[in-house]
Amino acid sequence: SYELTQPPSVSVSPGQTAIITCSGDKLGNQYTSWYQKKPGQSPLLVIFQDTMRPSGIPDRFSGSNSGNTATLTIAGTQPMDEADYFCQAWDGNIVFGTGTSVTVL
Amino acid sequence: QVQLVQSGAEVKLPGASVRVSCKASGYGFTSHAFDWVRQAPGQGLEWMGWMNPENGNTDYAQKFQGRLTLTRDTSISTTYMELTGLRSDDTAVYYCARGVYDSGNGQYYFDYWGQGTLVTVSS
Repeated sequence: SYELTQPPSVSVSPGQTAIITCSGDKLGNQYTSWYQKKPGQSPLLVIFQDTMRPSGIPDRFSGSNSGNTATLTIAGTQPMDEADYFCQAWDGNIVFGTGTSVTVL
Repeated sequence: QVQLVQSGAEVKLPGASVRVSCKASGYGFTSHAFDWVRQAPGQGLEWMGWMNPENGNTDYAQKFQGRLTLTRDTSISTTYMELTGLRSDDTAVYYCARGVYDSGNGQYYFDYWGQGTLVTVSS
């Protein structure tokens, strides 16, 4: 089955840039979405179609996807961005990444 | 506005079954698929299955084949997830999500989620 691998954790200082990667075989040939998950809350779509932001998502969130790696970038990270982030792709089946815990120190 | 409202928390004995409901509002019920995703304590998101509410067609992750059934009642805009043969490792928060399928781009993602339903399996 298809697998998407993320780093378990990323730490960033407030105002700095957080970069979260998602790796999978030829992932660049598929569209990737990203979800923010805070404890006790439902997942929130922050990026779809590799680079698109849903209405209401701040423009500090951006995405890219090429080769075997998709990337979620949070520019000017704020304390409210502290959460788990999951990538997701579709190859006929839904696949979620392993998840990355973002800590804003 | 689009809302997915799920039923409340459940506590079940091992071997029992659980049914969780998800009521949709704010859009045409049959216009989007419903998926179910769960998150066990300390774990990631796990996709369980998908249902087309227009015709009732379903697809389940191989892991849940034979234990999972997704149904719907279009008259009340509600979809249901039933999981049988519960085990302790089925303890998780279960989410329904509205699926967005873009056949032109070959992508599928989730734009709205229910609030989640905690299912605890314990003797």
